[in-house]
Amino acid sequence: SQTIHQWPATLVQPVGSPLSLECTVEGTSNPNLYWYRQAAGRGLQLLFYSVGIGQISSEVPQNLSASRPQDRQFILSSKKLLLSDSGFYLCAWDDEAEAFFGQGTRLTVV
Amino acid sequence: AQKITQTQPGMFVQEKEAVTLDCTYDTSDPSYGLFWYKQPSSGEMIFLIYQGSYDQQNATEGRYSLNFQKARKSANLVISASQLGDSAMYFCAMRGNQAGTALIFGKGTTLSVSS
Repeated sequence: SQTIHQWPATLVQPVGSPLSLECTVEGTSNPNLYWYRQAAGRGLQLLFYSVGIGQISSEVPQNLSASRPQDRQFILSSKKLLLSDSGFYLCAWDDEAEAFFGQGTRLTVV
Repeated sequence: AQKITQTQPGMFVQEKEAVTLDCTYDTSDPSYGLFWYKQPSSGEMIFLIYQGSYDQQNATEGRYSLNFQKARKSANLVISASQLGDSAMYFCAMRGNQAGTALIFGKGTTLSVSS
């Protein structure tokens, strides 16, 4: 069966520090992969999506970046976090009629 | 460009009653898929139901059904016999079937079920 792993579950980072969130998928090949951010009580903002290794589309210009070094691995990074980067980050994959999410990372930048 | 609109920030319903959560969409893709998700306070995203744009019948999954009206570009979620555990945020989402099209979400509707 298909599973998606996302870690860590919670993270508290100081302003200006780097960030690396990792997401891996099992049980499927060549999935579309996504990173979303959700502010408290709000909708999901699409940050990045990838249709294949090394192929990244950015939806929102900001100090975040994404990479897909392997077929089933998607990484969200930042060189210097801002207070406004706080939020709930969700990784997801989809394949035709199915789309599934990781458990999310709650990031607090202090 | 694709767009999803959920106009109800919050909905209130009593147990055992049915409730309809509205969703309208806009896309130029001739073929697309529509999704509904439930997000409880824990934050996890739970997939509920899927409707393909060429499906002749409305999708149903247990107490969930999707009222798909293609000409009106609407994909409302109907929850029958509401339960207290249905209290959560609900998101409508869409993805065009052309390669490279992303899955996008509406702003969500918070459903509160009371006894």
